[in-house]
Amino acid sequence: AQSVTQLGSHVSVSEGALVLLRCNYSSSVPPYLFWYVQYPNQGLQLLLKYTSAATLVKGINGFEAEFKKSETSFHLTKPSAHMSDAAEYFCAVSDRSGGGADGLTFGKGTHLIIQP
Amino acid sequence: DAGITQSPRHKVTETGTPVTLRCHQTENHRYMYWYRQDPGHGLRLIHYSYGVKDTDKGEVSDGYSVSRSKTEDFLLTLESATSSQTSVYFCAISDSDRQGGVDNEQFFGPGTRLTVL
Repeated sequence: AQSVTQLGSHVSVSEGALVLLRCNYSSSVPPYLFWYVQYPNQGLQLLLKYTSAATLVKGINGFEAEFKKSETSFHLTKPSAHMSDAAEYFCAVSDRSGGGADGLTFGKGTHLIIQP
Repeated sequence: DAGITQSPRHKVTETGTPVTLRCHQTENHRYMYWYRQDPGHGLRLIHYSYGVKDTDKGEVSDGYSVSRSKTEDFLLTLESATSSQTSVYFCAISDSDRQGGVDNEQFFGPGTRLTVL
């Protein structure tokens, strides 16, 4: 069984400040890890994914995440927040047993608020 | 964007009525999924399909059934809708990786907002 914990249902940062969204996972096997973003009234868009290549993963819109096995974490960061980053962010995990065809397990989401 | 459409996009229905949501893809991807999204719960898997006529239950499958008679279509049916099934429903697809397993990267449709009164 696998699970995802996103710390903070709401995170507020000032425009231009560092964005840090936290994600910890639990998985009995090496995981695939994902960050998705959801803008209001839209579907989910993949920001980045970790699949056991480099531990530091770069994604779209200037976001990146680092896989830390010892901490079972996959935190999402962006050096400088922009107003357009305001959205809901979801961390998700898929374990590799059984080929991973049985879907993703999502965290509950973090709503990112950007203050002008 | 991946070619995924969902219909209807919005629906209001009454308790006890049957409801069918449709997901249609033009990517020829093997795997298809239905999730529901509720405040404070993130997305939770309802059912998934790993091929035509091959489906399995997810985390929150009670009260839902699915069918996949063609690669491109995945139907979600609420046999007798209840107010607890008021939610936003998302379809997702993924394909096989080079080793024949699932790629795991999922592409999502725009969602269907269902209200059960």
